[in-house]
Amino acid sequence: SYVLTQPPSVSVAPGQTARISCGGTNIAIKTVHWYQKRPGQAPVVVVHDVSDRPSGIPERFSGSKSGNTATLTISRVEDGDEADYYCQVWDNRGVIFGEGTELTVL
Amino acid sequence: EVQLVESGGGLVQPGRSLRLSCAASGFTFDEYGMHWVRQAPGKGLEWVSGIDWNSASVGYAASVKGRFTISRDNAKNSLYLQMNSLRGEDMAVYYCAKSATPWGNYYYYHMDVWGTGTTVTVSS
Repeated sequence: SYVLTQPPSVSVAPGQTARISCGGTNIAIKTVHWYQKRPGQAPVVVVHDVSDRPSGIPERFSGSKSGNTATLTISRVEDGDEADYYCQVWDNRGVIFGEGTELTVL
Repeated sequence: EVQLVESGGGLVQPGRSLRLSCAASGFTFDEYGMHWVRQAPGKGLEWVSGIDWNSASVGYAASVKGRFTISRDNAKNSLYLQMNSLRGEDMAVYYCAKSATPWGNYYYYHMDVWGTGTTVTVSS
């Protein structure tokens, strides 16, 4: 089955830039989405279709893809960005989530 | 306001069954694919199942295939998940989620609206 690999954790100081990677075989030809998940809350999509940002999501959130890695970039990180982040693709008529990355704001 | 409200969670013994429901409002339910996604304690998000807007196509994670059945009643704006032969590893918060784009295949688009979840506890 298809696997998406994310780093378990990323730490960054407020105001700095956080980059969360998502690797997978042939991800270059896949559409990647990113979700933010805070404890006790429902997931929220922050980037979809690799680099599109839903209305209401700050411009600080952006997505990109290069080779077999997709990246979620959060610029000028704020305390409120502390959460788990998941990448997601579809494969073989199913939905695959990455293992998740815990973003810690120092 | 677009809203999804899950219900039906609770405590169930291993091997027993449970049926989850998701009530949708604020959008044209019968135009959108829908999903169930779960999160076990201390674990990540796991896609469970998806269904097309017209129920023509459904899909399941390997971990639940043959035990869980997804269905929908467009007349009632409702999504369901019938869970049979429950195991300890099925214990999780179960979320209902809406596919972002109408029509099309449930698996193709991102999920733009999520419910707040219902908790399933499997224990004897």
